[in-house]
Amino acid sequence: EVQLVQSGGGLVQPGGSQRLSCAASGFNVSFNYMTWVRQAPGKGLEWVSVIYYDGRTYYADSVKGRFTVSRDISKNTLYLQMSSLRVDDTAVYYCASPPISVDGVIDEYWGQGTLVTVSS
Amino acid sequence: HSALTQPPSASGTPGQRVTISCSGSSSNIGSHGVNWYQQLPGTAPKLLIYGGNQRPSGVPDRFSGSKSGTSASLAISGLRSEDEAEYYCAAWDDSLIGLFGGGTKLTVL
Repeated sequence: EVQLVQSGGGLVQPGGSQRLSCAASGFNVSFNYMTWVRQAPGKGLEWVSVIYYDGRTYYADSVKGRFTVSRDISKNTLYLQMSSLRVDDTAVYYCASPPISVDGVIDEYWGQGTLVTVSS
Repeated sequence: HSALTQPPSASGTPGQRVTISCSGSSSNIGSHGVNWYQQLPGTAPKLLIYGGNQRPSGVPDRFSGSKSGTSASLAISGLRSEDEAEYYCAAWDDSLIGLFGGGTKLTVL
């Protein structure tokens, strides 16, 4: 079964740091690419970051220089290290796979989402 | 980088065909395939269309995607009450970042 299980998140003070994890099963996080997407309360989806199969990373302007995406292939886990957090970083964060074929089923898989609240 | 542009709302009656538009530029929609997502309240987005007009397994053929130049559209035929949701378009940009539209809330009257 293909699954993305997220952990981390919670309340953090402005200027603080937090790391989100996204553990994959049923496929390899090193395949093609993996993305992070966030959604502020009551708002739309915002693309955050991508890490490609070869390790290249790209970021939205809003998080560039503050967030770092990485992966541990041995643990088949994706990470998002967030630093210098601001109030407007408050959002539900999702990790997502690209459309992939597993046992003949084509789909894109998303984590369950984790809420990060930046507040004093 | 500007987000893709979608109408904030759309509506239709059961059985009707509705379309949702998504406008971008030559560096994103004009150069790359468009994905469409459905999001129900409190849940993760669900992929409806990828690469412009491909449906993941299990997505009914009532949902279809198309593109013309720097704009794309999602069409839903045979509208059902359970289609009431928020819909988002997404595309990669030539700069290798991702872009989402602002979302369209679909109401089934």
